[in-house]
Amino acid sequence: EAGVAQSPRYKIIEKRQSVAFWCNPISGHATLYWYQQILGQGPKLLIQFQNNGVVDDSQLPKDRFSAERLKGVDSTLKIQPAKLEDSAVYLCASSPGGLSSSPLHFGNGTRLTVT
Amino acid sequence: QKEVEQNSGPLSVPEGAIASLNCTYSDRGSQSFFWYRQYSGKSPELIMSIYSNGDKEDGRFTAQLNKASQYVSLLIRDSQPSDSATYLCVRSGNTGKLIFGQGTTLQVKP
Repeated sequence: EAGVAQSPRYKIIEKRQSVAFWCNPISGHATLYWYQQILGQGPKLLIQFQNNGVVDDSQLPKDRFSAERLKGVDSTLKIQPAKLEDSAVYLCASSPGGLSSSPLHFGNGTRLTVT
Repeated sequence: QKEVEQNSGPLSVPEGAIASLNCTYSDRGSQSFFWYRQYSGKSPELIMSIYSNGDKEDGRFTAQLNKASQYVSLLIRDSQPSDSATYLCVRSGNTGKLIFGQGTTLQVKP
């Protein structure tokens, strides 16, 4: 089966600019996650979708970050305006269902550098 | 208190030795636990899952869970240089939300 697809692979922007990331999960996977991983830290959950509904966005900085999964398939994560501290790898993951026992399948991530 | 705590390391072991990676968690409602391995510059990959108290073995890997002590561990027997990576402890609750620890870096020296 095809894995989780993410693009772009790398992005460099200046602070206060905007940026968008795209993710296409494994076909049939109902749950989609966006994680932020800062160098030397574990991934931090930004938002979790179940189909096209939001399950958890408690750690999403909503003043600058937004995410959508309109048709319950692919998803976009946007940052506007970006800050220096947003420099990180943004990981998209999917799982077959919302059960706590479902393993995550990660994409290759998007490495964002904000200068 | 962090939800999932791990010693960041690095943990250095000689080739062939047993590597012991430890993790504690704060939420007693946590139901499932996972260990992910992350090579430098790569995405995390699942290596073990454990849901009930006790030990679970898979090849050279053994996961141990003690819910009373809120403690999870991963043992790697006959460690190989290819095991050198960061190991992430993950816990989840009943909504499917997965919380990652900061990871422990393991170095296996030939």
